[in-house]
Amino acid sequence: EAGVAQSPRYKIIEKRQSVAFWCNPISGHATLYWYQQILGQGPKLLIQFQNNGVVDDSQLPKDRFSAERLKGVDSTLKIQPAKLEDSAVYLCASSFNPRRRGRQETQYFGPGTRLLVL
Amino acid sequence: GENVEQHPSTLSVQEGDSAVIKCTYSDSASNYFPWYKQELGKGPQLIIDIRSNVGEKKDQRIAVTLNKTAKHFSLHITETQPEDSAVYFCAASMSNAGGTSYGKLTFGQGTILTVHP
Repeated sequence: EAGVAQSPRYKIIEKRQSVAFWCNPISGHATLYWYQQILGQGPKLLIQFQNNGVVDDSQLPKDRFSAERLKGVDSTLKIQPAKLEDSAVYLCASSFNPRRRGRQETQYFGPGTRLLVL
Repeated sequence: GENVEQHPSTLSVQEGDSAVIKCTYSDSASNYFPWYKQELGKGPQLIIDIRSNVGEKKDQRIAVTLNKTAKHFSLHITETQPEDSAVYFCAASMSNAGGTSYGKLTFGQGTILTVHP
């Protein structure tokens, strides 16, 4: 079974520039998550999708971050404009369908995109 | 919201020794507690999880215990090997029957485990 795919793996940009990350979840997984992991910290949830609808985006800085999952499969996360403090690893994860099963399901993480904002 | 504290931040052991990592959580409604292992340059990988209706779970050299009253849970690794060296994260999540709170994991700060040959 193929895992969660993310691209690019690394990105270096200057502040105020824009950047986009792409995620392809495990086939058949209805739920997709984007996490931000700052160096030396645990991942922090930015946004959660159930199919193509947003379930939780309470911790997404909406003035600069946006995300979409138009067809309920792939997802993109965008930052515009980037700030120095956005330097982090952006992790995408997916799970089968915790809502449907009525319980927590294992979240499978991709390798992440390492962003450095100069 | 939920808050998860993890200790220690670093742990160094000799090969063959046991390692214990402890976490506490703040929200008594949390009922799912996974542990992830993250190697350099990779995403977190689930190694074991426990739900609130169970007090202990084992998988070969790895075990997790949960004390709901005290709101803490621990990871135990026995007979450590150099390949166990990595960063370990605990996390907590809640789900309520018929509700919408599925999936959001709150992570601890991580423990860097080093196993010396």
